[in-house]
Amino acid sequence: QQQVKQSPQSLIVQKGGISIINCAYENTAFDYFPWYQQFPGKGPALLIAIRPDVSEKKEGRFTISFNKSAKQFSLHIMDSQPGDSATYFCAASLSGTYKYIFGTGTRLKVLA
Amino acid sequence: DAGITQSPRHKVTETGTPVTLRCHQTENHRYMYWYRQDPGHGLRLIHYSYGVKDTDKGEVSDGYSVSRSKTEDFLLTLESATSSQTSVYFCAIAQKETQYFGPGTRLLVL
Repeated sequence: QQQVKQSPQSLIVQKGGISIINCAYENTAFDYFPWYQQFPGKGPALLIAIRPDVSEKKEGRFTISFNKSAKQFSLHIMDSQPGDSATYFCAASLSGTYKYIFGTGTRLKVLA
Repeated sequence: DAGITQSPRHKVTETGTPVTLRCHQTENHRYMYWYRQDPGHGLRLIHYSYGVKDTDKGEVSDGYSVSRSKTEDFLLTLESATSSQTSVYFCAIAQKETQYFGPGTRLLVL
């Protein structure tokens, strides 16, 4: 019940296309869902986060869609660029615990 | 980078030797974490701390111990390193509900 399942494991997208990464969770008590971006040799960096009281959050080309009833959330990268090539992790957290459960990551490659 | 440094950044050691990794933060954050990152497993929590001398286990704590004698430092010790502990280790701090990660330590156990 503590797992966060992330798919796909890897993704190749053409420049200008839309990249979509999906995550699913079991624990309905989770109430904070961040996405992290990691470049090779670097630590993960927060990209965008959402709470379950909204169904969508957009920051620039990055959008989180949240489906509370399905217990799923996804990251959409619009107009994908080669500079977006990185590994992306979703996570889930329960307020007050300060602990995350991470998905297994998606390696995104955007072709020029 | 939220003022987080990790040392060493790279280490090669032999099976059975003790290893200590250091995480240092400059902003007095209460919560600190140690994760390991392995292909196909994402980031897995080893131990975390919620204050000086206050620590708790994560999901993969076997073979690891931690200490936090000062707010700014969180040490991860492998008492007797094994090849299965070859990994990239990340320290993180929590600022409100967001975690910020250090640059990582790449550890190779031969």
